[in-house]
Amino acid sequence: AQSVSQHNHHVILSEAASLELGCNYSYGGTVNLFWYVQYPGQHLQLLLKYFSGDPLVKGIKGFEAEFIKSKFSFNLRKPSVQWSDTAEYFCAVRLLTGRRALTFGSGTRLQVQP
Amino acid sequence: GAVVSQHPSRVICKSGTSVKIECRSLDFQATTMFWYRQFPKQSLMLMATSNEGSKATYEQGVEKDKFLINHASLTLSTLTVTSAHPEDSSFYICSATTSGTVLMAEQYFGPGTRLTVT
Repeated sequence: AQSVSQHNHHVILSEAASLELGCNYSYGGTVNLFWYVQYPGQHLQLLLKYFSGDPLVKGIKGFEAEFIKSKFSFNLRKPSVQWSDTAEYFCAVRLLTGRRALTFGSGTRLQVQP
Repeated sequence: GAVVSQHPSRVICKSGTSVKIECRSLDFQATTMFWYRQFPKQSLMLMATSNEGSKATYEQGVEKDKFLINHASLTLSTLTVTSAHPEDSSFYICSATTSGTVLMAEQYFGPGTRLTVT
């Protein structure tokens, strides 16, 4: 079965620091990849997604992610974080065959200190 | 963008009673809806997949007689937690997707329902 690993469970950064959150998945076939954000008390919102094409994907709020197929990775990056980026970040994978459900990673809690 | 709503947002019920949670796609037709469960500080775990007009497909370990899912229309799916117990207390989240080309591979999430069983 496919799985998604997020190795950073809790990250604390100061404002203006750069961010990189790791995401690895275990599946050899073609996948769609997603990053979602969950702000405190709010529902999941899509940050960005990769379906095909350019492996460097730009999303909302200055986030980007790079798909490296050989490493089965889809790391999320932001060059300069803000206090408002404090949230829970989830990486998710969807197989292109079968059901269209997402498999989520365990999440990374990002805390940005002013 | 596509909007998914859930009702209620919070519910407290007594042990042994049943609770129904609604998930609606407000501005699109959802051929497939998913129900997830999220424990505190944990990720979302898929419970079941429901397609309009057919029986839901449950994930391994999810009791289909306990978590009844009905997807009677293209805009509404319901999850009924029957004979609820305190261990069923959790955050239940639905998502919806369409079969349209543009939105084919994207899911839209509802705001979630906090269930507390006393």
